[in-house]
Amino acid sequence: GNSVTQMEGPVTLSEEAFLTINCTYTATGYPSLFWYVQYPGEGLQLLLKATKADDKGSNKGFEATYRKETTSFHLEKGSVQVSDSAVYFCALSDRNAGGTSYGKLTFGQGTILTVHP
Amino acid sequence: GAGVSQSPSNKVTEKGKDVELRCDPISGHTALYWYRQSLGQGLEFLIYFQGNSAPDKSGLPSDRFSAERTGGSVSTLTIQRTQQEDSAVYLCASSLALAGGPHGELFFGEGSRLTVL
Repeated sequence: GNSVTQMEGPVTLSEEAFLTINCTYTATGYPSLFWYVQYPGEGLQLLLKATKADDKGSNKGFEATYRKETTSFHLEKGSVQVSDSAVYFCALSDRNAGGTSYGKLTFGQGTILTVHP
Repeated sequence: GAGVSQSPSNKVTEKGKDVELRCDPISGHTALYWYRQSLGQGLEFLIYFQGNSAPDKSGLPSDRFSAERTGGSVSTLTIQRTQQEDSAVYLCASSLALAGGPHGELFFGEGSRLTVL
């Protein structure tokens, strides 16, 4: 079956520090990969995505590269801000060889990020 | 409204009672998903709908859980004879198309927090 494993949190950083949140996956097909973010008191929202190997997703200064050889999709940001404090979820959606989605997202357990001034 | 709406936002019930949780997806979104988020856990897939049919209900934890969707719009998740382990935040999401495919971005509601005493 499909699964997503994220580095355990919580992660606590000072403002302007470099951030990496590790994510690895297992999938039976040809997955698309996602990072979702949940800010305090808000619903989950898509942060970035990549649909094939070597694609890089980016948004709001965050980046993640789809690495098929290591089955990874690590999230990085060069300089975090207090406003980045949130819970980050890595997720995948598996697809068949023809590119048709199997229909659901499989999520990791989430990583709590706290950024201090 | 413009987003996914869930009700109630908070529900406290006694063990053994039945509860209904409602989800109003974004207008025009054909796919609708239910997830469960327990304290310290990731998002657990429950069921998804494509239109009014449910191609994948593999995540429903037991036969006490059921869901339906009518008119390709509103969905109701029903939990019968609630147990304390059912306490969690139940999240609904909708998308234009199946997750992972083109136009497959999931938009989440803010969730219904269920507490079973």
